[in-house]
Amino acid sequence: GQNIDQPTEMTATEGAIVQINCTYQTSGFNGLFWYQQHAGEAPTFLSYNVLDGLEEKGRFSSFLSRSKGYSYLLLKELQMKDSASYLCAVRDGYSGAGSYQLTFGKGTKLSVIP
Amino acid sequence: GAVVSQHPSRVICKSGTSVKIECRSLDFQATTMFWYRQFPKQSLMLMATSNEGSKATYEQGVEKDKFLINHASLTLSTLTVTSAHPEDSSFYICSASEQPSNQPQHFGDGTRLSIL
Repeated sequence: GQNIDQPTEMTATEGAIVQINCTYQTSGFNGLFWYQQHAGEAPTFLSYNVLDGLEEKGRFSSFLSRSKGYSYLLLKELQMKDSASYLCAVRDGYSGAGSYQLTFGKGTKLSVIP
Repeated sequence: GAVVSQHPSRVICKSGTSVKIECRSLDFQATTMFWYRQFPKQSLMLMATSNEGSKATYEQGVEKDKFLINHASLTLSTLTVTSAHPEDSSFYICSASEQPSNQPQHFGDGTRLSIL
């Protein structure tokens, strides 16, 4: 079966750095995605890793180790607006017509405090 | 970037009503769209994969006669919740991705469905 684990909740201070970990065990792998979801809203795409290593995008970075089934999302210079849920998702199954399914973790609720 | 539009954003209706939700890719063609459901404090659960011009593929435990999916064009997929009941109240979200297949899925704004 598919299994994606990430911490349920985290708290960090404004201006600090926080790392959100994700481990996965899936039958297939075609990339790992991180999404941000504010309460009551749809997810928005943050980052994508398909090869091992670090991808940096402004204040957000994401790391992948395929051999370890492990990824993390690093958020720097935290701002209050970064308070949201962060979803780790693995692209595994092929849906046909050139598209792949995503399997989501349960999300990590990050609270940024002053 | 790719934009996915979903409508309506909120529906409140009586038990037994059928509700149609539309998902449109605004600036790209999507041969495949995905429909998710999210209950409070839960993650997104894939309900079905909508394929243009063919039948949708439903995930295990999702009733195809209850959740009707029509993907009649390359930019529009619809999900109809038939004879909705209070337990169908949830946040329904669609997504689509551009080609090539390594592009991320982009999500619509979601539809909050409340059945009284």
